[in-house]
Amino acid sequence: GQNIDQPTEMTATEGAIVQINCTYQTSGFNGLFWYQQHAGEAPTFLSYNVLDGLEEKGRFSSFLSRSKGYSYLLLKELQMKDSASYLCAVRGASGGSYIPTFGRGTSLIVHP
Amino acid sequence: NAGVMQNPRHLVRRRGQEARLRCSPMKGHSHVYWYRQLPEEGLKFMVYLQKENIIDESGMPKERFSAEFPKEGPSILRIQQVVRGDSAAYFCASSPESPDTQYFGPGTRLTVL
Repeated sequence: GQNIDQPTEMTATEGAIVQINCTYQTSGFNGLFWYQQHAGEAPTFLSYNVLDGLEEKGRFSSFLSRSKGYSYLLLKELQMKDSASYLCAVRGASGGSYIPTFGRGTSLIVHP
Repeated sequence: NAGVMQNPRHLVRRRGQEARLRCSPMKGHSHVYWYRQLPEEGLKFMVYLQKENIIDESGMPKERFSAEFPKEGPSILRIQQVVRGDSAAYFCASSPESPDTQYFGPGTRLTVL
């Protein structure tokens, strides 16, 4: 099975940079996802990593180290609208159907 | 291109009633996934379906819960004889292939009185 750990809550200041970490243990690995979820809304896809290294997409970047079972999501130039929950999800092998397992999410609070 | 559609957005049922949740995947997507989310908890996988087939139902309770994705029409998650513990947000996601990135619908918030 899979086990995913990420901090429960983080706070940061508008305009700053924040790094949200995710560690995982999984049987088999077929990719790691980050989603953003505002309260009461659907998770929105942010990034996908399957190879080691950094993937940059605008203000958001995601890093993966498969050997360490570790990923982080980096948010730059924080805006108030970035206040949301950030979900780390790992796709391993579940009955051959490769269903991602989600962490509990990190609630990010951005203050002025 | 419309996203994943779910209805109803909010559903209130009394204990013992049936709840029917509907999900229409994105255009061109033939893979549908259902998840349940309780407050302060992560998304929990329930079932994965393709048209007319259940591929993986390892996360779905054996009793009272069923799911289908018919050849025509939306996917349906059915909960019979609901109990208060079924109160949660139920999200549907779809993908064009599997494995592939999943795109989520807005969810159905089920409240059992």
